Amino acid sequence: QLQLQESGPGLVKPSETLSLTCTVSGGSISSSSYYWGWIRQPPGKGLEWIGSIYYSGSTYYNPSLKSRVTISVDTSKNQFSLKLSSVTAADTAVYYCARHSDYYDSRDDVSTFDYWGQGTLVTVSS
Amino acid sequence: DIQMTQSPSSLSASVGDRVTITCRASQGISNSLAWYQQKPGKAPKLLLYAASRLESGVPSRFSGSGSGTDYTLTISSLQPEDFATYYCQQYYSTPLLTFGGGTKVEIK
Repeated sequence: QLQLQESGPGLVKPSETLSLTCTVSGGSISSSSYYWGWIRQPPGKGLEWIGSIYYSGSTYYNPSLKSRVTISVDTSKNQFSLKLSSVTAADTAVYYCARHSDYYDSRDDVSTFDYWGQGTLVTVSS
Repeated sequence: DIQMTQSPSSLSASVGDRVTITCRASQGISNSLAWYQQKPGKAPKLLLYAASRLESGVPSRFSGSGSGTDYTLTISSLQPEDFATYYCQQYYSTPLLTFGGGTKVEIK
């Protein structure tokens, strides 16, 4: 069974860089048809896609965050990571990593998040 | 950007009720829509994709329909474990993915 686990500091100071890592177990991050994504959810609010990465390193980001986001992958460790720079209180959220299935199956295009980590709360505060 | 608007934002229902949640896109999305269920303190769970296709292991009381800009998630007979918040997500504008604002289903 595929499992994802986020790790990283739970408290980040304003203007600093938020850094999180997602460790994938029970499957290879190098599988074809799958990207690996980050999604966040401010307390009491909805979901926001941050960006996704393929095992080759190909990335795509939410334009609203693109100038501050870097997602990278380490296939040797079966991990991918998120860096969000110049954080403010508005970046306080639960951050989820997820498997991003992106393919065409002869009937439909599919681009969904089918396995998720448990999420980690990151608070931006001095 | 494609905006996704869910309605209602919350609803109260009883066990056994038929529940319908609507998701409207700001432009046509050609069935490129998924639905997720999220329980408090938990990660979202994928329920349906391509507007109407059930993810493996999801009970058949969940169904989806729609076309163009308007889509619905229906729970045919609400069960106690279905009380949760539901989100739609469009992927027509891949690689830009957007979620709806959510619909909270509460116990009446």
